[in-house]
Amino acid sequence: DQQVKQNSPSLSVQEGRISILNCDYTNSMFDYFLWYKKYPAEGPTFLISISSIKDKNEDGRFTVFLNKSAKHLSLHIVPSQPGDSAVYFCAAMDSNYQLIWGAGTKLIIKP
Amino acid sequence: DAGITQSPRHKVTETGTPVTLRCHQTENHRYMYWYRQDPGHGLRLIHYSYGVKDTDKGEVSDGYSVSRSKTEDFLLTLESATSSQTSVYFCAISESGGVAWSYQETQYFGPGTRLLVL
Repeated sequence: DQQVKQNSPSLSVQEGRISILNCDYTNSMFDYFLWYKKYPAEGPTFLISISSIKDKNEDGRFTVFLNKSAKHLSLHIVPSQPGDSAVYFCAAMDSNYQLIWGAGTKLIIKP
Repeated sequence: DAGITQSPRHKVTETGTPVTLRCHQTENHRYMYWYRQDPGHGLRLIHYSYGVKDTDKGEVSDGYSVSRSKTEDFLLTLESATSSQTSVYFCAISESGGVAWSYQETQYFGPGTRLLVL
């Protein structure tokens, strides 16, 4: 049973608009979350993270929101750019300090 | 970019043959990880290492073994490859991990090895 779920396999957004990628988790003990971005034929690269003591973390165009009561986090990209087209993975750190990954969401930015 | 290379980048092999994948880092990071990525599953941890000769199992370790005789190299071996081991394999490194994990830390990934077992 997947503990980290990204229910949208793909998302298409117009260039310049906001992209919102969602992630749900089931384990309330998770206390650190990360987003990674992956281009084809490359390894994932770290994008942004958030600790459970916060509800928001910003880095430039990227903002991650955490709603612990709903066990939900989201990644906002504003404004979306063509180079943002990639697969985005949500990951959570478990009590063994191992990362539990979602299945990923493919983001397509349309010109 | 973190200095992580994986070899080979692509491999086709037959069921029952042994396969070894290599991960090499130039960052002198203590922790190294092997993941596999399959459609619908994201990345799943196979094994990880927290120092030379120190390794532990991850979520999907059955059918895999690892070795780390030098800080810079982490080998993943499929003793007798099966078709279910067809996947993309990623190596990752981090400076800290386990109970010493720093919340400023992240894992850096290699480019991946695409393995097809026929």
